[in-house]
Amino acid sequence: QVQLVESRGGVVQPGGSLRLSCAASGFSFKSHGMHWVRQAPGKGLEWVAFIRFDESDKNYSDSVRGRFTISRDNSKNTLFLQMNSLRPEDTAVYYCAKDGYFQQWGQGTLVMVSS
Amino acid sequence: QPVLTQPPSSSASPGESARLTCTLPNDINVDNYNIYWYQQKAGSPPRYLLYYSSDSNKGQGSGVPSRFSGSKDASANAAILNISGLQSEDEADYYCMIWPGNAWAFGGGTKLTVL
Repeated sequence: QVQLVESRGGVVQPGGSLRLSCAASGFSFKSHGMHWVRQAPGKGLEWVAFIRFDESDKNYSDSVRGRFTISRDNSKNTLFLQMNSLRPEDTAVYYCAKDGYFQQWGQGTLVMVSS
Repeated sequence: QPVLTQPPSSSASPGESARLTCTLPNDINVDNYNIYWYQQKAGSPPRYLLYYSSDSNKGQGSGVPSRFSGSKDASANAAILNISGLQSEDEADYYCMIWPGNAWAFGGGTKLTVL
């Protein structure tokens, strides 16, 4: 069955960087677009970024554009999110999700930005 | 990204029906879009429930009971998630989502309490 497993997050100081990964299995990863979505503590879902199956198109929310970069390695069935210039408001559980309509979700990983 | 408005909370008794609304901004016509719905139980990632565009264009997520269905109220420019025969296990947060172009947008979520 489809499995999406995010790497461990952690605590990062404001202005710092962190790279998340999402290991995919149980489907043809190279054929599907993928998203990152985040959820601040006690808050709702916020779409972060999307990448097409072949990396030909990438989209970002206004809140992360210019600071975050989504990428993928289809040979390793892995999705990435490089997060730079982190701010306290980036504190959230980060989920990877499959397909344009978020058909399946990982369990999420907590990123905390704090000094 | 567009702002989708959902009431923060709703409640109903077991066996009753629930009607959760998702109101689109005036510059986005609900009739022109697929609306997607997700369920999130406490401590778990979101789960894809269904999408609704029209009675002839809709889809149910894998394993999602037929008690969950979608509809639209064009006069209110809103999408609706209908849940019939409420069960205690339906207590959760529910989110709507649309994709109007190069960004994806979630509603703020409705917390459904099954009394």
